[in-house]
Amino acid sequence: GAGVSQSPRYKVAKRGQDVALRCDPISGHVSLFWYQQALGQGPEFLTYFQNEAQLDKSGLPSDRFFAERPEGSVSTLKIQRTQQEDSAVYLCASSPVLRGLETQYFGPGTRLLVL
Amino acid sequence: QKEVEQDPGPLSVPEGAIVSLNCTYSNSAFQYFMWYRQYSRKGPELLMYTYSSGNKEDGRFTAQVDKSSKYISLFIRDSQPSDSATYLCAMSLSGGGADGLTFGKGTHLIIQP
Repeated sequence: GAGVSQSPRYKVAKRGQDVALRCDPISGHVSLFWYQQALGQGPEFLTYFQNEAQLDKSGLPSDRFFAERPEGSVSTLKIQRTQQEDSAVYLCASSPVLRGLETQYFGPGTRLLVL
Repeated sequence: QKEVEQDPGPLSVPEGAIVSLNCTYSNSAFQYFMWYRQYSRKGPELLMYTYSSGNKEDGRFTAQVDKSSKYISLFIRDSQPSDSATYLCAMSLSGGGADGLTFGKGTHLIIQP
Protein backbone atom coordinates (compact mmCIF):
# COMPACT_ATOMS: atom_id res chain seq x y z
CA GLY A 1 0.00 0.00 0.00
CA ALA A 2 0.98 3.65 -0.18
CA GLY A 3 3.40 4.87 2.42
CA VAL A 4 3.96 8.33 3.82
CA SER A 5 4.48 10.83 1.05
CA GLN A 6 6.02 14.27 1.23
CA SER A 7 6.11 17.13 -1.22
CA PRO A 8 8.03 18.76 -2.62
CA ARG A 9 10.96 16.36 -2.46
CA TYR A 10 13.38 19.25 -3.00
CA LYS A 11 12.96 22.95 -2.32
CA VAL A 12 15.39 25.77 -2.91
CA ALA A 13 14.46 29.04 -1.23
CA LYS A 14 16.08 32.42 -1.02
CA ARG A 15 16.79 33.68 2.46
CA GLY A 16 13.73 35.46 3.76
CA GLN A 17 11.24 33.48 1.70
CA ASP A 18 8.38 31.55 3.27
CA VAL A 19 8.08 27.83 2.47
CA ALA A 20 5.39 25.20 3.03
CA LEU A 21 6.16 21.51 3.23
CA ARG A 22 3.42 18.94 2.91
CA CYS A 23 3.03 15.52 4.48
CA ASP A 24 0.46 12.90 3.46
CA PRO A 25 0.44 10.25 6.16
CA ILE A 26 -0.71 6.68 5.69
CA SER A 27 -4.51 6.69 5.57
CA GLY A 28 -6.07 6.27 9.00
CA HIS A 29 -2.93 6.98 10.98
CA VAL A 30 -3.79 9.07 14.00
CA SER A 31 -0.28 10.11 15.04
CA LEU A 32 1.93 12.37 12.96
CA PHE A 33 5.44 13.62 13.72
CA TRP A 34 7.77 16.13 12.09
CA TYR A 35 11.56 15.88 12.40
CA GLN A 36 14.45 17.98 11.11
CA GLN A 37 17.59 16.19 9.93
CA ALA A 38 20.66 18.32 9.30
CA LEU A 39 23.45 16.98 7.11
CA GLY A 40 25.37 14.23 8.89
CA GLN A 41 23.06 14.31 11.91
CA GLY A 42 20.23 12.22 13.22
CA PRO A 43 16.65 13.48 12.98
CA GLU A 44 15.55 15.92 15.65
CA PHE A 45 11.97 16.01 16.87
CA LEU A 46 9.97 19.10 15.98
CA THR A 47 6.30 18.49 16.74
CA TYR A 48 3.60 15.86 17.25
CA PHE A 49 -0.07 15.67 16.28
CA GLN A 50 -2.73 13.32 17.52
CA ASN A 51 -5.42 13.64 14.85
CA GLU A 52 -5.83 17.42 14.42
CA ALA A 53 -4.52 18.32 17.88
CA GLN A 54 -0.93 19.50 18.16
CA LEU A 55 0.05 17.96 21.47
CA ASP A 56 3.72 18.79 21.49
CA LYS A 57 5.58 21.54 19.67
CA SER A 58 8.53 21.73 22.02
CA GLY A 59 11.04 20.94 19.28
CA LEU A 60 10.13 23.80 16.94
CA PRO A 61 13.32 25.90 16.88
CA SER A 62 11.70 29.31 16.65
CA ASP A 63 8.44 31.08 16.14
CA ARG A 64 9.18 31.11 12.42
CA PHE A 65 8.18 27.45 12.37
CA PHE A 66 4.52 26.56 12.34
CA ALA A 67 2.75 23.25 11.75
CA GLU A 68 -0.87 22.35 11.24
CA ARG A 69 -3.06 19.35 10.57
CA PRO A 70 -6.54 20.87 10.35
CA GLU A 71 -8.53 17.78 9.37
CA GLY A 72 -6.43 15.18 11.09
CA SER A 73 -4.84 13.82 7.94
CA VAL A 74 -2.54 15.96 5.74
CA SER A 75 -0.09 18.14 7.62
CA THR A 76 1.84 21.21 6.56
CA LEU A 77 5.03 22.54 8.09
CA LYS A 78 5.52 26.20 7.32
CA ILE A 79 8.75 28.11 7.78
CA GLN A 80 8.57 31.85 7.60
CA ARG A 81 11.47 34.15 6.66
CA THR A 82 13.78 31.21 6.00
CA GLN A 83 17.38 31.40 7.18
CA GLN A 84 20.42 29.45 5.97
CA GLU A 85 20.44 27.41 9.16
CA ASP A 86 17.01 26.07 8.19
CA SER A 87 18.65 24.05 5.40
CA ALA A 88 17.97 20.41 6.26
CA VAL A 89 15.83 17.41 5.39
CA TYR A 90 12.38 17.64 6.94
CA LEU A 91 10.96 14.21 7.72
CA CYS A 92 7.37 13.35 8.44
CA ALA A 93 6.34 10.12 10.18
CA SER A 94 2.95 8.66 10.96
CA SER A 95 1.69 5.89 13.17
CA PRO A 96 -1.58 4.00 13.44
CA VAL A 97 -1.28 3.83 17.19
CA LEU A 98 -2.02 6.56 19.65
CA ARG A 99 1.35 7.59 21.01
CA GLY A 100 2.87 4.98 18.75
CA LEU A 101 6.55 5.67 18.74
CA GLU A 102 7.58 2.15 17.97
CA THR A 103 5.52 1.99 14.84
CA GLN A 104 6.47 5.23 13.16
CA TYR A 105 6.61 5.06 9.38
CA PHE A 106 8.77 7.73 7.83
CA GLY A 107 8.34 9.52 4.55
CA PRO A 108 11.28 10.20 2.18
CA GLY A 109 11.66 13.76 3.45
CA THR A 110 11.77 17.19 1.87
CA ARG A 111 15.28 18.48 1.27
CA LEU A 112 15.29 22.24 1.87
CA LEU A 113 18.18 24.41 0.78
CA VAL A 114 18.13 28.08 1.76
CA LEU A 115 20.50 30.29 -0.22
CA GLN B 1 27.37 16.69 25.40
CA LYS B 2 24.46 15.35 23.39
CA GLU B 3 21.93 13.09 25.07
CA VAL B 4 22.73 10.24 22.66
CA GLU B 5 26.24 9.58 21.36
CA GLN B 6 26.93 7.45 18.30
CA ASP B 7 30.12 7.09 16.31
CA PRO B 8 29.39 8.35 12.79
CA GLY B 9 31.95 6.04 11.15
CA PRO B 10 32.26 5.13 8.38
CA LEU B 11 32.53 1.52 9.47
CA SER B 12 33.71 -0.76 6.66
CA VAL B 13 33.62 -4.56 7.01
CA PRO B 14 33.83 -7.49 4.57
CA GLU B 15 30.72 -9.36 3.52
CA GLY B 16 29.78 -12.11 5.97
CA ALA B 17 31.31 -10.42 8.98
CA ILE B 18 29.48 -9.74 12.22
CA VAL B 19 28.80 -6.04 12.64
CA SER B 20 28.53 -4.35 16.01
CA LEU B 21 26.95 -0.91 16.26
CA ASN B 22 26.39 0.92 19.52
CA CYS B 23 25.17 4.05 21.25
CA THR B 24 25.59 5.54 24.67
CA TYR B 25 23.17 7.89 26.32
CA SER B 26 23.09 10.14 29.34
CA ASN B 27 19.41 10.29 30.33
CA SER B 28 18.62 7.33 32.59
CA ALA B 29 14.90 7.98 32.12
CA PHE B 30 14.94 6.61 28.56
CA GLN B 31 12.91 3.39 28.46
CA TYR B 32 12.23 2.65 24.78
CA PHE B 33 15.11 1.92 22.43
CA MET B 34 15.04 1.54 18.68
CA TRP B 35 17.31 1.01 15.73
CA TYR B 36 16.51 2.51 12.34
CA ARG B 37 18.19 1.94 9.00
CA GLN B 38 18.39 4.83 6.56
CA TYR B 39 19.42 4.48 2.96
CA SER B 40 20.68 7.53 1.10
CA ARG B 41 17.91 10.00 0.32
CA LYS B 42 15.28 7.82 2.03
CA GLY B 43 13.43 8.07 5.30
CA PRO B 44 14.48 5.97 8.32
CA GLU B 45 13.05 2.44 8.49
CA LEU B 46 12.45 0.77 11.85
CA LEU B 47 14.57 -2.36 12.36
CA MET B 48 14.33 -3.21 16.04
CA TYR B 49 12.42 -1.98 19.06
CA THR B 50 13.21 -2.86 22.69
CA TYR B 51 11.61 -1.85 25.93
CA SER B 52 13.94 -1.46 28.95
CA SER B 53 16.95 -3.78 29.36
CA GLY B 54 17.47 -7.08 27.61
CA ASN B 55 18.03 -8.67 24.24
CA LYS B 56 15.84 -9.03 21.20
CA GLU B 57 16.54 -11.07 18.12
CA ASP B 58 14.98 -10.83 14.67
CA GLY B 59 16.60 -12.84 11.92
CA ARG B 60 20.17 -11.63 11.44
CA PHE B 61 19.67 -8.71 13.81
CA THR B 62 20.09 -8.68 17.59
CA ALA B 63 19.46 -5.63 19.75
CA GLN B 64 20.84 -5.35 23.28
CA VAL B 65 20.07 -2.78 25.95
CA ASP B 66 22.09 -2.34 29.12
CA LYS B 67 20.38 0.38 31.12
CA SER B 68 22.88 0.14 33.99
CA SER B 69 25.66 1.18 31.60
CA LYS B 70 23.41 3.38 29.44
CA TYR B 71 24.61 1.46 26.42
CA ILE B 72 22.72 -0.12 23.53
CA SER B 73 23.98 -2.30 20.70
CA LEU B 74 22.85 -3.71 17.39
CA PHE B 75 24.53 -6.80 15.98
CA ILE B 76 24.19 -7.86 12.36
CA ARG B 77 25.20 -11.42 11.53
CA ASP B 78 26.23 -12.61 8.07
CA SER B 79 26.36 -9.05 6.81
CA GLN B 80 25.39 -8.42 3.20
CA PRO B 81 26.23 -5.57 0.79
CA SER B 82 22.55 -4.62 0.96
CA ASP B 83 23.05 -3.84 4.66
CA SER B 84 25.19 -0.87 3.65
CA ALA B 85 23.33 2.14 5.03
CA THR B 86 23.30 4.56 7.95
CA TYR B 87 22.10 3.01 11.19
CA LEU B 88 20.43 5.33 13.69
CA CYS B 89 19.76 4.53 17.29
CA ALA B 90 16.75 6.25 18.85
CA MET B 91 15.19 6.33 22.27
CA SER B 92 12.32 7.87 24.16
CA LEU B 93 11.23 8.56 27.70
CA SER B 94 7.95 6.77 27.28
CA GLY B 95 6.03 4.83 24.70
CA GLY B 96 3.90 7.88 24.17
CA GLY B 97 4.18 10.53 21.52
CA ALA B 98 4.60 13.37 23.94
CA ASP B 99 8.34 13.55 23.62
CA GLY B 100 9.12 12.24 20.19
CA LEU B 101 12.27 10.27 19.57
CA THR B 102 15.84 11.27 20.44
CA PHE B 103 18.20 10.02 17.76
CA GLY B 104 21.92 9.44 17.62
CA LYS B 105 23.94 10.91 14.80
CA GLY B 106 23.91 7.63 12.88
CA THR B 107 26.73 5.25 11.89
CA HIS B 108 27.51 4.91 8.20
CA LEU B 109 28.08 1.20 7.52
CA ILE B 110 29.76 -0.15 4.40
CA ILE B 111 29.73 -3.90 3.64
CA GLN B 112 32.42 -4.74 1.12
CA PRO B 113 31.48 -7.51 -1.35
